[in-house]
Amino acid sequence: KNEVEQSPQNLTAQEGEFITINCSYSVGISALHWLQQHPGGGIVSLFMLSSGKKKHGRLIATINIQEKHSSLHITASHPRDSAVYICAVRSGNTDKLIFGTGTRLQVFP
Amino acid sequence: GAGVSQSPSNKVTEKGKDVELRCDPISGHTALYWYRQSLGQGLEFLIYFQGNSAPDKSGLPSDRFSAERTGGSVSTLTIQRTQQEDSAVYLCASCLRGPYNEQFFGPGTRLTVL
Repeated sequence: KNEVEQSPQNLTAQEGEFITINCSYSVGISALHWLQQHPGGGIVSLFMLSSGKKKHGRLIATINIQEKHSSLHITASHPRDSAVYICAVRSGNTDKLIFGTGTRLQVFP
Repeated sequence: GAGVSQSPSNKVTEKGKDVELRCDPISGHTALYWYRQSLGQGLEFLIYFQGNSAPDKSGLPSDRFSAERTGGSVSTLTIQRTQQEDSAVYLCASCLRGPYNEQFFGPGTRLTVL
């Protein structure tokens, strides 16, 4: 079993829909990242969380430390949101990232 | 530059050759990480530097892989006697030391071993 599990693996949505991507982890962590990777592009950090909730524009990330679970929400989705979204946890005394397998999101107009 | 840079952006090599991949972290970032993303696979950790020392090399897949960092800045990842399974995107990230500091990623080097 992977230490970081994401669901769903693939997600298709119509423009304007509310989207949720889930992440569960089984190790002790100091923080959790949500990353975005566009095709052929680099990786951008969307959020880094250690507790509670963060919001940036149409994106909201939450984390429940007790349940070892985080969610990424996208409100009013847009085709430009199409990308792979990756959950990663910082673990151990070197703070290296352990990655989920990613969720491929496609938003159609 | 303001961000993490990596070179080359693409590298095609023949099986058995050695390759060097370079990472220039953000100035002042003492922590540097190398990750790998193989085709169809997720990202995996390779090695971590704090300053010039590498306290965690646990992700290096074999002794053909090595890395060094000089002057607390530039890092080089070397793969000797490349194999086809080494084909992947190699990503570098840097940050200030500490668990609550965001890691900033470079654009990656796409390595293809023929």
